[in-house]
Amino acid sequence: EADIYQTPRYLVIGTGKKITLECSQTMGHDKMYWYQQDPGMELHLIHYSYGVNSTEKGDLSSESTVSRIRTEHFPLTLESARPSHTSQYLCASSGMVVYEQYFGPGTRLTVT
Amino acid sequence: GENVEQHPSTLSVQEGDSAVIKCTYSDSASNYFPWYKQELGKGPQLIIDIRSNVGEKKDQRIAVTLNKTAKHFSLHITETQPEDSAVYFCAASIGFGNEKLTFGTGTRLTIIP
Repeated sequence: EADIYQTPRYLVIGTGKKITLECSQTMGHDKMYWYQQDPGMELHLIHYSYGVNSTEKGDLSSESTVSRIRTEHFPLTLESARPSHTSQYLCASSGMVVYEQYFGPGTRLTVT
Repeated sequence: GENVEQHPSTLSVQEGDSAVIKCTYSDSASNYFPWYKQELGKGPQLIIDIRSNVGEKKDQRIAVTLNKTAKHFSLHITETQPEDSAVYFCAASIGFGNEKLTFGTGTRLTIIP
């Protein structure tokens, strides 16, 4: 079982609220990722980090932001949530082997 | 950049029969081809991978094949069981370092008892 955690698991929030999705891993991995998974299953990379103080935007444009000030922690923030942000958000990490990613259980976000 | 196509998007198989999921990739520089399984309510989990210098790899009831010339690779599950029901993703990566992993669009496999 991978040691990567996401909180909360489920979140229902009103439009305009600021939210932070938490992601932590205890494996000491340098690389961390955020994916957005739509109801059609497809995984879209929205942010990634290759180490502390390193963050990059992924393939899918997102209004969210991320930070990486500690190796084990990679939170995602939405300053003003909208219904279009409703989705499943998955956090992952990897060590030297990029294709071996460990995923957290996900946060299912619903914005009303 | 890399583009990975995956088929079929849904697959229903009678318990005990075999299931095959196929993927094609576009970047000939890709060398690593992992497969992930996502069970309901969980994140994807790596179940098997194959490297470009290998044509086939087996692990109990699952096997992966790779045709680098044709740029396609497949996942084969034999003697399917109810616990094989899940969403499966193929992926491609150039290799180690800072290269990203490109996922296919996923296949929802349902095993019919």
